[in-house]
Amino acid sequence: DAMVIQNPRYQVTQFGKPVTLSCSQTLNHNVMYWYQQKSSQAPKLLFHYYDKDFNNEADTPDNFQSRRPNTSFCFLDIRSPGLGDAAMYLCATSREGNEDGYTFGSGTRLTVV
Amino acid sequence: AQSVTQLDSQVPVFEEAPVELRCNYSSSVSVYLFWYVQYPNQGLQLLLKYLSGSTLVESINGFEAEFNKSQTSFHLRKPSVHISDTAEYFCAVSRNTGGFKTIFGAGTRLFVKA
Repeated sequence: DAMVIQNPRYQVTQFGKPVTLSCSQTLNHNVMYWYQQKSSQAPKLLFHYYDKDFNNEADTPDNFQSRRPNTSFCFLDIRSPGLGDAAMYLCATSREGNEDGYTFGSGTRLTVV
Repeated sequence: AQSVTQLDSQVPVFEEAPVELRCNYSSSVSVYLFWYVQYPNQGLQLLLKYLSGSTLVESINGFEAEFNKSQTSFHLRKPSVHISDTAEYFCAVSRNTGGFKTIFGAGTRLFVKA
């Protein structure tokens, strides 16, 4: 089945130690998104890629960066994780136009110790 | 810009009872509307969507939602819930032209009791 896969499902990192979360898709969607979701809150868009074009949300901290080396893969890099960055990180994809809505991965739950 | 308000943070209901989860949105442009469901420690799954046409849309597991343009609402309903419907439900909106970013509401936790 075509899908969005996030690795790892659970990630524990030390305060200040760089961490990378990965996302891959077999849907061939040209738009990929990273959302941050904290407990009992709405998913918050960090950035998205339309093909190779990177779009950062205005309030996304500089600590968060992303790479999309090809259509299938997208990475979220957190340069110096703080305790406030502990959250579920959701990767999603869509076709341009979004008529089908988003397809989400299962998420990566990040713990910062 | 678009915004979404989910009026209830938690909705407890007994099994086989009807339920309505309320959602209001605001937008200066035409939009697509969505409901997503999230089970514990999972990503979100699309439940149903309104793009255009008939204002009543249905999902395969018995949920339905009605688009009301005058009231800017997109409430989700189910006539008889099951224990397995216990989850978090997110209403969402995106522009239907010139964009595809989706704005999510804060979510409603549906808790179905036996």
